[in-house]
Amino acid sequence: KQEVTQIPAALSVPEGENLVLNCSFTDSAIYNLQWFRQDPGKGLTSLLLIQSSQREQTSGRLNASLDKSSGRSTLYIAASQPGDSATYLCAVRSGGGADGLTFGKGTHLIIQP
Amino acid sequence: EPEVTQTPSHQVTQMGQEVILRCVPISNHLYFYWYRQILGQKVEFLVSFYNNEISEKSEIFDDQFSVERPDGSNFTLKIRSTKLEDSAMYFCASNEGAGANVLTFGAGSRLTVL
Repeated sequence: KQEVTQIPAALSVPEGENLVLNCSFTDSAIYNLQWFRQDPGKGLTSLLLIQSSQREQTSGRLNASLDKSSGRSTLYIAASQPGDSATYLCAVRSGGGADGLTFGKGTHLIIQP
Repeated sequence: EPEVTQTPSHQVTQMGQEVILRCVPISNHLYFYWYRQILGQKVEFLVSFYNNEISEKSEIFDDQFSVERPDGSNFTLKIRSTKLEDSAMYFCASNEGAGANVLTFGAGSRLTVL
């Protein structure tokens, strides 16, 4: 059974810092991995999707990497801003059809102004 | 930008009552999903739906749960006899094709069972 772990559980940093969020998964036979952002009481917003054949994806100040063989992904946030404060979720899809995603518990990020 | 719409945003019900949560997926999407998130816990997969039938379901999705696409736009989750532990945020999601595509989530329906 796939398990997804995210470290750290919480992180508080001053505005402007670069930071890295970590995600690990137990079964390396994944189809893809997706990073989401969740604001309090709200839905999930997709940030980046990495296919199993890819090593990284970039969107603006966000860069996600994938090392499938070691079961790890990182989300790099450059020049953090207070508006980046949210919970960041990592989720893996094990199959290519209608398989559900397996989520980590998330990293609660606070960017101090 | 197209979005997944869920109603109601919050529902309070008594234990044992039936609840129907509604979702309108993005119009050209073919795969539909329900997830739930109990307060403070992980988002958990419940069920996926494709071509008018269930494709996959988790252990959570027992006989108390059912899904339906009654018309060309709505996708519903029914809980027949709610229990206290069904209190959670329920998220609907959809994607355009098979697993390669980004999953788009709705804002969620918060269910409180008293």
